Amino acid sequence: GAVVSQHPSRVICKSGTSVKIECRSLDFQATTMFWYRQFPKQSLMLMATSNEGSKATYEQGVEKDKFLINHASLTLSTLTVTSAHPEDSSFYICSARDRWKSSYNEQFFGPGTRLTVL
Amino acid sequence: RKEVEQDPGPFNVPEGATVAFNCTYSNSASQSFFWYRQDCRKEPKLLMSVYSSGNEDGRFTAQLNRASQYISLLIRDSKLSDSATYLCVVNPLTGGGNKLTFGTGTQLKVEL
Repeated sequence: GAVVSQHPSRVICKSGTSVKIECRSLDFQATTMFWYRQFPKQSLMLMATSNEGSKATYEQGVEKDKFLINHASLTLSTLTVTSAHPEDSSFYICSARDRWKSSYNEQFFGPGTRLTVL
Repeated sequence: RKEVEQDPGPFNVPEGATVAFNCTYSNSASQSFFWYRQDCRKEPKLLMSVYSSGNEDGRFTAQLNRASQYISLLIRDSKLSDSATYLCVVNPLTGGGNKLTFGTGTQLKVEL
C-alpha cells in the first residue's frame, strides 16, 4: 500500500516550453501533496504544498506563476513548469500524505521526474 | 545556520562494520524526526521514525537528544545493500500535514 506514482519519469524539452508533471496516489486519498526539487548533491527543497480543492502554498522564493500547481482530486496533483529554462533542470519529486492517517507525519514519495531543459 | 545539518561523508566502511551518523537541527520546537534512505537518482524512502525514547528496527537504531537537538542513526553489521545516502528529516510541527525539512544527507559506501 501507500504507492505514489509520477509521470513522466524523465523529460527533455527545449527552453521556453512548458512541462506538466503528474503525481498520483494509487491506493490512498491525499488531501495534501508536496512538491520538492533536488539539484545534484543537494537536499530536497520543498517548493510548494498542494491542497486538494484549494490554492497551493508556495515556499519563499518559488514563483507561483512559473510553477503552476493543480490538485483537482484526492489522488492527483500536477506541477506545470512554464516557460522552462536550463536552470529549471532538476529532479522533481512529489509526496503525499494519507488523509485518514493524519496523526502521522509520514509522507510517501513518488519516484521523481528528471527534467532536462536544453 | 542550516535547519538540518549532516556530515555529507562519504563514510566508507567494510562489510560487517558498525557505523553511526549524526544530525543536528536548529528549530527547538521540532516535533517529529525521521531517517530516510535515498539511493542514487531515486526518491527517498522512509527508513524509520525517531522517537524520544529511541527505537530499534533490526540492525538500525535511532536516537533523539532533544536537549542537544541531535539525532543519530546506528547501523550494525553493515551490508553492501546499505550503501546509499541517509537523510535526516525534521518536521517542526505536531499533527499531520506539515512540511518536512531535509538534511543534505550522509553518503554511506559499504565495501567488501
